[in-house]
Amino acid sequence: ETGVTQSPTHLIKTRGQQVTLRCSSQSGHNTVSWYQQALGQGPQFIFQYYREEENGRGNFPPRFSGLQFPNYSSELNVNALELDDSALYLCASSSGWEVETQYFGPGTRLLVL
Amino acid sequence: GDSVTQMEGPVTLSEEAFLTINCTYTATGYPSLFWYVQYPGEGLQLLLKATKADDKGSNKGFEATYRKETTSFHLEKGSVQVSDSAVYFCALSDRGNTPLVFGKGTRLSVIA
Repeated sequence: ETGVTQSPTHLIKTRGQQVTLRCSSQSGHNTVSWYQQALGQGPQFIFQYYREEENGRGNFPPRFSGLQFPNYSSELNVNALELDDSALYLCASSSGWEVETQYFGPGTRLLVL
Repeated sequence: GDSVTQMEGPVTLSEEAFLTINCTYTATGYPSLFWYVQYPGEGLQLLLKATKADDKGSNKGFEATYRKETTSFHLEKGSVQVSDSAVYFCALSDRGNTPLVFGKGTRLSVIA
């Protein structure tokens, strides 16, 4: 098992730019969920992918989009960045939808100036 | 929609003190309840869980009991250690399936 990894660990963007965050899921996992954790807040669900299809989405605008690849790794894309997008972005992989099988990565910290 | 409310921190305790972090929830359906811990620079780790009323989850000396009548899932530990310093999140999910709904987190600092 290699665990869930995310890249980059940190990045800085300016308002209006676009960003892509990456997540490698744990071996054997076919589901990836993305969460946004603003400073001092709990993680909020963005969306989830199961076998390359989006199968759940939280209350986030369409400028937040994602992909899951055949090896079950995933990307989170955010267009037209806003200052409020500054947060820690967490990726979690699981085998199906069971929370007990879910493991979180360390996150990518995004700062939008 | 479903929601979780946690006591606000930070909480500062001396080593070997008793810990309680309050958590209440609002949910439709049959929520499963969880506590997660987040150490600096690390991913969220599942600490314990309970899937139905009156279940008690426990791990590493931490305990929490699923109280349906009071919609609560308070985290307790009898004697905290410096190594327990972290942010603790209460969370729920529908029938134990992803995604999770988290509380805002409570930062715990334990001093020697």
